[in-house]
Formats: sequence, structure tokens, C-alpha cells
Amino acid sequence: EAQVTQNPRYLITVTGKKLTVTCSQNMNHEYMSWYRQDPGLGLRQIYYSMNVEVTDKGDVPEGYKVSRKEKRNFPLILESPSPNQTSLYFCASSLVTGGNQPQHFGDGTRLSIL
Amino acid sequence: AQSVTQLGSHVSVSEGALVLLRCNYSSSVPPYLFWYVQYPNQGLQLLLKYTSAATLVKGINGFEAEFKKSETSFHLTKPSAHMSDAAEYFCAVSESDSWGKLQFGAGTQVVVTP
Repeated sequence: EAQVTQNPRYLITVTGKKLTVTCSQNMNHEYMSWYRQDPGLGLRQIYYSMNVEVTDKGDVPEGYKVSRKEKRNFPLILESPSPNQTSLYFCASSLVTGGNQPQHFGDGTRLSIL
Repeated sequence: AQSVTQLGSHVSVSEGALVLLRCNYSSSVPPYLFWYVQYPNQGLQLLLKYTSAATLVKGINGFEAEFKKSETSFHLTKPSAHMSDAAEYFCAVSESDSWGKLQFGAGTQVVVTP
């Protein structure tokens, strides 16, 4: 089954404790992206990647890191999480890079930073 | 910068009634336009997209949307609401020359009453 898989789905942690949210897609997609969803703000892009070893900042990159060492994986790293990073996170992918490409979303990761 | 406005954060409709969700964008150049649906505890799923072909776009689950350049709008409709349509709906735009960045509206929560 074609899918984008995120882990964990839920995480409660404390300020300053490094965490990684994994994202993997099995569709051989070129483009991958991370979003955060906050009430009343919709989804905002954190980082994106157009291909292996090619990543760039989205609208809200502060406090996050990403890497794209393999085509299928695009982990999101919070080196020193803070309470304002409490949010619902989505990973997405599309076949190729381009404005007309629909994106496929994972089921989300709900992070709570205490 | 591109912006997307969804009128109404919550909409309540009766089962069998018309569903109308409004979306306006700010670009002077017609972008690519998308509607996504989010069911509880799930990721976003593509309903339909406009990529400069027909102005009336048909999507899944009986939804359709009409692109009106003069009004910079892309409203989503369904003639007869079903209980299973209860979800959050997001309008998103992508610039035609972009690498795939999606700008999302704030979302509209749809409640369907019997």
C-alpha cells in the first residue's frame, strides 16, 4: 500500500530533550516536506526537500533540523524542544517537485513539550 | 506573499443539504489550487485540484469546486451532505512556478446534523 509513515504518532516529552520524528514513504517520491498544524493557522511548512541531500527552509524553520540521506526517509529533528513547538506535525511527499503536484500526507505526530 | 482565506472556521449543515465552503486567494497570477480533507486522527487527503484546465473541477466523494479568476475564488460544494462528510477542510494554493510549496488556509470544520 502506498503510504507516508510517521513515528511516533504521539509523544509527550520535556523541554530540552532532543527528539526525532521519522518519516518514510514507499512511493519513490522525489519531494518531501514537513508541516506543523496549529488551531486557526492551518498548516505551515517547516522544511522541504527536493531530492536526496537537497533541503531548504519553509516558513517556520526555527528550532528544527532535517536531513535527507535516502530518498524514502526525511526525519525531523528537534535538538532542544521548547513548549512553543507543541503541535501536530505532518510529513508529506509528492512524486516530483512542482506546484501542480498533489501531496500525500502521513497520519500526523502529536508532540507535547512540557 | 500568497495568502489563502477560508470564510468561516466552523460550518454546520443538515444531512442532505448543500455544503458550500469558501476559499479566496491573493495571487494576481492564477495559481494551482487544492482542497484537502482531514478526518479525525488522520492526515490530509486530496479532494480535488485545479491546474488550469477546466474551471469546474470534480473531486472524490461528490465534491466539486469552481475556479473563478475574476473573484480569485475556489469555492467547494457538494449538493447533498452526508454524515460521513463531517471533517475539517483545507484550501491550499501553490504558485504556478513554484517547487511545490503549499500555502494553506486556516481550515473549515464541517459538522453534519441529522
